[in-house]
Amino acid sequence: GEDVEQSLFLSVREGDSSVINCTYTDSSSTYLYWYKQEPGAGLQLLTYIFSNMDMKQDQRLTVLLNKKDKHLSLRIADTQTGDSAIYFCAEWMDSSYKLIFGSGTRLLVRP
Amino acid sequence: DTGVSQDPRHKITKRGQNVTFRCDPISEHNRLYWYRQTLGQGPEFLTYFQNEAQLEKSRLLSDRFSAERPKGSFSTLEIQRTEQGDSAMYLCASSRLSSGKETQYFGPGTRLLVL
Repeated sequence: GEDVEQSLFLSVREGDSSVINCTYTDSSSTYLYWYKQEPGAGLQLLTYIFSNMDMKQDQRLTVLLNKKDKHLSLRIADTQTGDSAIYFCAEWMDSSYKLIFGSGTRLLVRP
Repeated sequence: DTGVSQDPRHKITKRGQNVTFRCDPISEHNRLYWYRQTLGQGPEFLTYFQNEAQLEKSRLLSDRFSAERPKGSFSTLEIQRTEQGDSAMYLCASSRLSSGKETQYFGPGTRLLVL
């Protein structure tokens, strides 16, 4: 089946780390993505990870992938108020050439 | 590279009217996708094109919806006889398969409100 799940909301204090979690169902997904969406805007690609990796770091972003548990996380170090947005996890379905998105996690960064 | 653009950004229409949205992908991208996003949800796949060929359509795409990409460049999405349930953000994305990796870049979306 096709299902990607995320927690709905996360609140952190500015300067702390944020960890956004995601679970997916298709073990054959080759790539998993994180997108950011600010109010009224389209989706901005943040980072992605190939399924044969377990970690990828890109500046303040760290993606961890546990393929056995089908669990993906995005860690944002030194979270800033500008990081407040909705974060979507998505899995790429090789079989059907489409991205399946979670319902998004709203991150609120408190000053 | 100017990114993916969509027009219009906002559309308000009355129930029963037809609307058409346009998407201009990144120029070297041969794949183009349409998604629909309702409040509090992630984008849901509607359809996709490889060049000018429409290769897949979601069950969400009723017969009132039609998409075209006549020359393999820009695409249009038309909704006929709009209903209030069609109110949503319509997102377009484009991509180019490279080294087995598919990365989709999204436009800003067209927000549709059907009164």
